[in-house]
Amino acid sequence: AQKITQTQPGMFVQEKEAVTLDCTYDTSDPSYGLFWYKQPSSGEMIFLIYQGSYDQQNATEGRYSLNFQKARKSANLVISASQLGDSAMYFCAMRERGGTASKLTFGTGTRLQVTL
Amino acid sequence: NAGVTQTPKFRVLKTGQSMTLLCAQDMNHEYMYWYRQDPGMGLRLIHYSVGEGTTAKGEVPDGYNVSRLKKQNFLLGLESAAPSQTSVYFCASSWAGANSYEQYFGPGTRLTVT
Repeated sequence: AQKITQTQPGMFVQEKEAVTLDCTYDTSDPSYGLFWYKQPSSGEMIFLIYQGSYDQQNATEGRYSLNFQKARKSANLVISASQLGDSAMYFCAMRERGGTASKLTFGTGTRLQVTL
Repeated sequence: NAGVTQTPKFRVLKTGQSMTLLCAQDMNHEYMYWYRQDPGMGLRLIHYSVGEGTTAKGEVPDGYNVSRLKKQNFLLGLESAAPSQTSVYFCASSWAGANSYEQYFGPGTRLTVT
């Protein structure tokens, strides 16, 4: 079963508007972490934001916020005031506590295109 | 601080050839990882290491071997390359322990097997 699901292969948003990128996850581990990474066309993976399963408040980092709904197992990324430089692939990833290392499981990504 | 570096950046191999990808990190991280990224499939974990001298299999380990002889280096080997191994390979590293520690990624290696 897929552990991380990103159902939007591509999204468009106008500059200065807000956009939500969806992510749902599946785990039976009560302790887990959710990450969002940005991959611009240059190819590098850039960490954006983290949400822990026990965190009471939604994570925020500048223009990025995470809409964490634990009961629905969703961790959507909200980008406010979109900029042209936000055009990139965005990956949601989950890290589970079980095992000997903190391995990440990635979704298939959403390609965001910011337009004028 | 160079962070995570990967060598080489690009490589073309013929089927059956072998090669080694080198990953180096200067952040004193305990954990290191190798991922592959194929179109439409996100990143998938190949092998990982929780410390010097230790390695373990990830989600897609077949056809690859790894070694971690020094804490700062993590090598990925292809003994007999196949076209199905055409992909972009990413190395990453992180601190041990808490779930909150993000993984730091290298710039990637684009490998083509003909």
